[in-house]
Amino acid sequence: GNSVTQMEGPVTLSEEAFLTINCTYTATGYPSLFWYVQYPGEGLQLLLKATKADDKGSNKGFEATYRKETTSFHLEKGSVQVSDSAVYFCALKKGTQGGSEKLVFGKGTKLTVNP
Amino acid sequence: GAGVSQTPSNKVTEKGKYVELRCDPISGHTALYWYRQSLGQGPEFLIYFQGTGAADDSGLPNDRFFAVRPEGSVSTLKIQRTERGDSAVYLCASSVTSGGGTDTQYFGPGTRLTVL
Repeated sequence: GNSVTQMEGPVTLSEEAFLTINCTYTATGYPSLFWYVQYPGEGLQLLLKATKADDKGSNKGFEATYRKETTSFHLEKGSVQVSDSAVYFCALKKGTQGGSEKLVFGKGTKLTVNP
Repeated sequence: GAGVSQTPSNKVTEKGKYVELRCDPISGHTALYWYRQSLGQGPEFLIYFQGTGAADDSGLPNDRFFAVRPEGSVSTLKIQRTERGDSAVYLCASSVTSGGGTDTQYFGPGTRLTVL
């Protein structure tokens, strides 16, 4: 079945450091790929998405490129801020023949950015 | 506008009791989803509604779990004979519609269920 594997956390960085959170997926066909973020005390929010191979999603300085050849969707940011401290979830969505639109999530990676 | 709301925010119950969790989607959203998030894990899909009907209930773990959406708006997740293993955060999400593979799911803050 469809699945998502993302790097184990927690990840601790200093402000202005470069961030990479790895995400790989297993799915048939061409899923849509997402990064969601959960800030402390808040609900899940969509950070960025990509719907086809070689698409790059970007938002708030974060980027991720849909790589079909490596089945990956790694999240990157060139210079993190303290306010980026959160839990990041990689997810995929692949409609089945029955039309389900369910998201399949990775386990999440907790990021802490220190000043 | 208002986002997805869920009530209660916290629910503590005893093993064997019945609970209901409510979700109010964003107005006009026809698709509604329930997920369950255990500590240290990502959300896991439970059930998805398109309008009033359950389009996919493949994630419901057993027949103690049931969900309804009688008027195509508010949804209630019902859990009978609760067990300690049901303790988790229950998340609701809604989207404008479904299909096309791209509609963004907007999540509510969740209901934290604790079964003692």
